[in-house]
Amino acid sequence: SAVISQKPSRDICQRGTSLTIQCQVDSQVTMMFWYRQQPGQSLTLIATANQGSEATYESGFVIDKFPISRPNLTFSTLTVSNMSPEDSSIYLCSVTQNTGELFFGEGSRLTVL
Amino acid sequence: GENVEQHPSTLSVQEGDSAVIKCTYSDSASNYFPWYKQELGKRPQLIIDIRSNVGEKKDQRIAVTLNKTAKHFSLHITETQPEDSAVYFCAAGNFGNEKLTFGTGTRLTIIP
Repeated sequence: SAVISQKPSRDICQRGTSLTIQCQVDSQVTMMFWYRQQPGQSLTLIATANQGSEATYESGFVIDKFPISRPNLTFSTLTVSNMSPEDSSIYLCSVTQNTGELFFGEGSRLTVL
Repeated sequence: GENVEQHPSTLSVQEGDSAVIKCTYSDSASNYFPWYKQELGKRPQLIIDIRSNVGEKKDQRIAVTLNKTAKHFSLHITETQPEDSAVYFCAAGNFGNEKLTFGTGTRLTIIP
């Protein structure tokens, strides 16, 4: 499976600031997604990162809060904007390849004070 | 949209015994049902999956069964070991679409 690297792995942020998470894959992938996992909770899809066009957001998530870029087939960023303590979560980049299975990066653990 | 329910939320099993985790889904169009294992502080790892054209799939000590009529699928772990302790998530979606809806997770504890 593809090697998925996320940066930062963790960060502590102040309320009202924004943070950009990077996801780099070592090979071209079919699809890239961003998931959120709140403390002790399940995985919730934020959006599908589309190469060269605007991301497709799930219900409850908006571009102004979670802008996403995907300039090529191996890289994507997720920005968490104007953060509040409720945004404290693990944010996971995930990808699929030709086999169709979904694989996750290590995640970025955000704590907002 | 798809809705996935998972039971139980916690499960304690004596080492060597079997563990069963069950999920139900709502969308009859779903045809792909993976299971993920997440150890503390780690990423979710795909452990087994099944597509709707088969009723059962086995990989060593783990197996998954699917009942399309009843819209439920289950994970079976036999001869459990301490390293099986983790949170397990089921998911449902469409193979090739890759948008998955996850269950709420089951925290499995293996008692030595």
